[in-house]
Amino acid sequence: AQTVTQSQPEMSVQEAETVTLSCTYDTSESDYYLFWYKQPPSRQMILVIRQEAYKQQNATENRFSVNFQKAAKSFSLKISDSQLGDAAMYFCAYRTSNFGNEKLTFGTGTRLTIIP
Amino acid sequence: ETGVTQTPRHLVMGMTNKKSLKCEQHLGHNAMYWYKQSAKKPLELMFVYSLEERVENNSVPSRFSPECPNSSHLFLHLHTLQPEDSALYLCASSQGTGNQPQHFGDGTRLSIL
Repeated sequence: AQTVTQSQPEMSVQEAETVTLSCTYDTSESDYYLFWYKQPPSRQMILVIRQEAYKQQNATENRFSVNFQKAAKSFSLKISDSQLGDAAMYFCAYRTSNFGNEKLTFGTGTRLTIIP
Repeated sequence: ETGVTQTPRHLVMGMTNKKSLKCEQHLGHNAMYWYKQSAKKPLELMFVYSLEERVENNSVPSRFSPECPNSSHLFLHLHTLQPEDSALYLCASSQGTGNQPQHFGDGTRLSIL
């Protein structure tokens, strides 16, 4: 069974600075998908960024980028130029590539605080 | 605009009550999910419906009963719940498999008295 570990329950960063949230996972599969979701106080889970395991290039979405280390099974999220609106819980998630298996496995989350 | 709408946003019920949570997606997706989110625990997948057929049931107690009448609607019927069932219940939908992300609703905050 796949597991996802987020070892940082809480992180804080000064506004406009850069912060990195860590995520590791355990799987025996070679092809899969990884996601970072953000959950602000409004409660809705919002997709931040996704990565296909077969792609060597790290995904980027504006100020958000990942450092995907497949051999180390690591999938960290870097937020550059942090903004107050980035304050939220961040969840790392894993999904198999097996057709018909829709399951997302989530980590326990990291609460990110932005210091003005 | 979320695309996935959940009602009610808050629900307080006694252990002997029967209630239902509703989820509606406006995205044309073919798969829907129920998750349970408790404090300091990973999101727990409860049920998956793909093309209106239940494809996964993660050992959820029978006091939770899902219903998917069509591809746009998903219900979670609740009866005889326990205090430990108090949590945020999130609905999500997606289109197909692969890297298509799941889109989540705002959740229903359930409190069992």
